[in-house]
Amino acid sequence: EAGVAQSPRYKIIEKRQSVAFWCNPISGHATLYWYQQILGQGPKLLIQFQNNGVVDDSQLPKDRFSAERLKGVDSTLKIQPAKLEDSAVYLCASSPPGPYSYNEQFFGPGTRLTVL
Amino acid sequence: DQQVKQNSPSLSVQEGRISILNCDYTNSMFDYFLWYKKYPAEGPTFLISISSIKDKNEDGRFTVFLNKSAKHLSLHIVPSQPGDSAVYFCAAGNTGTASKLTFGTGTRLQVTL
Repeated sequence: EAGVAQSPRYKIIEKRQSVAFWCNPISGHATLYWYQQILGQGPKLLIQFQNNGVVDDSQLPKDRFSAERLKGVDSTLKIQPAKLEDSAVYLCASSPPGPYSYNEQFFGPGTRLTVL
Repeated sequence: DQQVKQNSPSLSVQEGRISILNCDYTNSMFDYFLWYKKYPAEGPTFLISISSIKDKNEDGRFTVFLNKSAKHLSLHIVPSQPGDSAVYFCAAGNTGTASKLTFGTGTRLQVTL
């Protein structure tokens, strides 16, 4: 079974530029998550999708961050414009259908973003 | 507001000994707790979990203990192996909030020969 795919793995941009990250979840997984992990901190949930609908985006900085999951499969997270404090690893995770899928959040390898 | 805390950023243990990783939480609404393990350049992988109706869950060399009154949980690894060297994250959730997890800051475990 293929895991969660993310691209690119690394990205370096200058502040005020735009950047986009792509995630392809495990086939059949209804729920998709985007996390931000700043160095020295744990992952912080940015947005959670159930199929193509948003379940939770309470911690997404909506003035600069946006995400979509068209057709309920892969997803894109965009930052526009980027700030220095956005430097972090962006993790995508997915989980299969079910009422409680805590155990079954499968993470991708992440995209390491550096904003200069 | 750090609702899940791992106060030890790092831990070094000899191979074959017990590793004990600790985690404290402040939100009494959390009723489900997990440990994730992370190797460099990889995403976290699920290790073990425990529901608040239990105080212990065991899976092979890994045991998680939950003390609800103290809002404290710990992960025991016995015996520790070099391949256990990784960053361990404690995470907590509430079964009423659609699988949203709050993670701690992580503890880097190094198992030495």
